[in-house]
Amino acid sequence: AQSVTQLDSHVSVSEGTPVLLRCNYSSSYSPSLFWYVQHPNKGLQLLLKYTSAATLVKGINGFEAEFKKSETSFHLTKPSAHMSDAAEYFCVVIINQAGTALIFGKGTTLSVSS
Amino acid sequence: SAVISQKPSRDICQRGTSLTIQCQVDSQVTMMFWYRQQPGQSLTLIATANQGSEATYESGFVIDKFPISRPNLTFSTLTVSNMSPEDSSIYLCSVEGDRGGEQFFGPGTRLTVL
Repeated sequence: AQSVTQLDSHVSVSEGTPVLLRCNYSSSYSPSLFWYVQHPNKGLQLLLKYTSAATLVKGINGFEAEFKKSETSFHLTKPSAHMSDAAEYFCVVIINQAGTALIFGKGTTLSVSS
Repeated sequence: SAVISQKPSRDICQRGTSLTIQCQVDSQVTMMFWYRQQPGQSLTLIATANQGSEATYESGFVIDKFPISRPNLTFSTLTVSNMSPEDSSIYLCSVEGDRGGEQFFGPGTRLTVL
């Protein structure tokens, strides 16, 4: 069965420092993985996606994620945090072959202090 | 990407009543999805709605409680029936992207049941 585990419920960083949000996945076949961001009182926005092409995926707003099959991980990183990055981040996996059903991780709240 | 709108954006309802949430997409899509996000929680898929067929419900969700309509390729409704305070959540609709399995989400409907 496919699933994702976000290892941190809350991450706090200072503005200008690196961001690391951790996600491990479980999949019986080559997974499709996504990171979504949810800003307060706003809708979900797709940050980036991995679909078995390049293992290092670049997304919007300077975020990137690396798919590591040996570690079953898909961690989200950004070299330098900005105040506007404060939001809820969800790691997501497709759970069916048709590619239609998403399973969301429990989410990681990113706080950025000045 | 698709532009998705939902109505209402929020509502406060009394126990035992029903609320119908509308989801409108600016382009024709085959599949639409309905999710629930309970307070402080991640998203859970309620059902998948294809035009011209019965909605497919996930484990733990039943048609009598969450009837769904899909009258055409740009519109769907979700009804939350016989509401209780436990139904207080954000309800989101989404549609498939062009490829890669990603989904685009509406802004959500914030429901509070008293």
